[in-house]
Amino acid sequence: AQTVTQSQPEMSVQEAETVTLSCTYDTSENNYYLFWYKQPPSRQMILVIRQEAYKQQNATENRFSVNFQKAAKSFSLKISDSQLGDTAMYFCAFMKLNSGGGADGLTFGKGTHLIIQP
Amino acid sequence: NAGVTQTPKFQVLKTGQSMTLQCAQDMNHEYMSWYRQDPGMGLRLIHYSVGAGITDQGEVPNGYNVSRSTTEDFPLRLLSAAPSQTSVYFCASSWTVQETQYFGPGTRLLVL
Repeated sequence: AQTVTQSQPEMSVQEAETVTLSCTYDTSENNYYLFWYKQPPSRQMILVIRQEAYKQQNATENRFSVNFQKAAKSFSLKISDSQLGDTAMYFCAFMKLNSGGGADGLTFGKGTHLIIQP
Repeated sequence: NAGVTQTPKFQVLKTGQSMTLQCAQDMNHEYMSWYRQDPGMGLRLIHYSVGAGITDQGEVPNGYNVSRSTTEDFPLRLLSAAPSQTSVYFCASSWTVQETQYFGPGTRLLVL
């Protein structure tokens, strides 16, 4: 079974600063996807960024980027120019791809509570 | 498009009662799934479906039943609620299981 570990239960930074959230995962698989989801106080789960394991290039989405280190099984999220609206729980998630082209769903870490201070 | 909708938003049950959590999507997605979220935990997969008539178990399926008679709907049934099932339940859908999953707003369930 796959496991996802987020070692920072809570982080707090000042507005406009850059912050990095860490995520490590344990798998023996070679084909998988990795995700970062954001959950604001509304509880809605919102996809932030997605990375296919076969792609060497790190994914970016505006102020959000990842540092994907496949050999180290590390998938950190960097948020640049942080904004008050970035305050939320952030979950790292793993999806193993099956040989038949399917998958078993998402395995989530326990989350990091990110607080952006004004 | 309404996206993924879930009803009810909040429900209180007594131990032993049954109920159905509703999930519907209007995006013609083939893949649908149910997760539960407990305090201090990430989401855990309960059941999923890759298409109408096909369902399978996830990580924590005990105490829950599902069926998928249409592409749009994927209800989650609790036959005999237990306090351990107190949680927030999320439904998600996507075109295929590899595609980005879109989550509903969640149902908060309290079992007394």
